[in-house]
Amino acid sequence: DTAVSQTPKYLVTQMGNDKSIKCEQNLGHDTMYWYKQDSKKFLKIMFSYNNKELIINETVPNRFSPKSPDKAHLNLHINSLELGDSAVYFCASSREVLGNEQFFGPGTRLTVL
Amino acid sequence: GNSVTQMEGPVTLSEEAFLTINCTYTATGYPSLFWYVQYPGEGLQLLLKATKADDKGSNKGFEATYRKETTSFHLEKGSVQVSDSAVYFCALSAPTGGFKTIFGAGTRLFVKA
Repeated sequence: DTAVSQTPKYLVTQMGNDKSIKCEQNLGHDTMYWYKQDSKKFLKIMFSYNNKELIINETVPNRFSPKSPDKAHLNLHINSLELGDSAVYFCASSREVLGNEQFFGPGTRLTVL
Repeated sequence: GNSVTQMEGPVTLSEEAFLTINCTYTATGYPSLFWYVQYPGEGLQLLLKATKADDKGSNKGFEATYRKETTSFHLEKGSVQVSDSAVYFCALSAPTGGFKTIFGAGTRLFVKA
């Protein structure tokens, strides 16, 4: 009964490949997020969806494309992977967009070789 | 824009020592303030929060008080344990700022037995 789950947990791939990370939450939350955490633990927001609508779209390369088929799922697709994409990617959800606790998934460690 | 500044780590303490991790913020309006903790290999989880000035958030022996006059939300614990070793993130969510939760850079805490 995991609240926020992500698959896969680890992803090792070659430069230039395309990969997807899936996220699902069973908390009934309306808002979901993708964050990127670098090797120094710095956490950067990438995208946020509220009821399947994109509300935050930070300055990330357009090789990154989020997709929300329903409000319980937010997937992240990455085209033409680069070395600098190596990081841990966290999915999170919250009940509302503002002022509420965010629940994080366990993370997906992406390594681009 | 809104921002969060927290003390650089790592912080290394002996078990039962007193802990303070400083956090200051810049925000327009009245933000909600949070401390999140990230244990090794896991996602972030909420440790405590405060939503208005002079509120004190507390959990698991940790405390932080929302100080508007000094724009601070310092994290304290009277007696740390080895199991408190983790990365701690200060964060804010404000009505201004485009619905984003702003995270500090994180402070790594090591507690020695």
